[in-house]
Amino acid sequence: DARVTQTPRHKVTEMGQEVTMRCQPILGHNTVFWYRQTMMQGLELLAYFRNRAPLDDSGMPKDRFSAEMPDATLATLKIQPSEPRDSAVYFCASGVWGQPQHFGDGTRLSIL
Amino acid sequence: QKEVEQDPGPLSVPEGAIVSLNCTYSNSAFQYFMWYRQYSRKGPELLMYTYSSGNKEDGRFTAQVDKSSKYISLFIRDSQPSDSATYLCAMSEGTNAGKSTFGDGTTLTVKP
Repeated sequence: DARVTQTPRHKVTEMGQEVTMRCQPILGHNTVFWYRQTMMQGLELLAYFRNRAPLDDSGMPKDRFSAEMPDATLATLKIQPSEPRDSAVYFCASGVWGQPQHFGDGTRLSIL
Repeated sequence: QKEVEQDPGPLSVPEGAIVSLNCTYSNSAFQYFMWYRQYSRKGPELLMYTYSSGNKEDGRFTAQVDKSSKYISLFIRDSQPSDSATYLCAMSEGTNAGKSTFGDGTTLTVKP
């Protein structure tokens, strides 16, 4: 089965450092979503793209987070500077517009 | 109040029991209804996907949608220990089916 691939799977870094998370969507999928999951807030939508164009990033703290799709096979989520409150599991999901999303296994991020 | 409400549980049942998982919602524009299963340290995995009202069956799983009551259910028959996971409901509007609103998930444990 085709899968969404996320790297790294785990990341531990110190406050203030830049963090880059990568996602390879399923081949042929034209929508990509970034989510953050915490015990307190559940699954929160941060941003999403259709055909590589950003459609909505209203869920993202704009001053420190950025999301891009340099090409159809790569989506990135960057945090600069990182803060302890950014500690969470970050999921990427991809899909065909109008169809349910398929998730990767996430990046578990810890900011010390 | 959240658009999608889901009882977090936890729910514990003996092996072989019938399990009922439920979500309520407030947005009458929702037309696509999904159930995802999430194992520990994994991403959500799509289980069932229905459009509008009615029932859909897939093996031991049955999804029901009652749009008049804004209520959806997932039934698991003959539950197995391997069904132990967190179950998330998700919903999308008709014009933007790619973007989903998720419930916070119900944690299920099936005891041998």
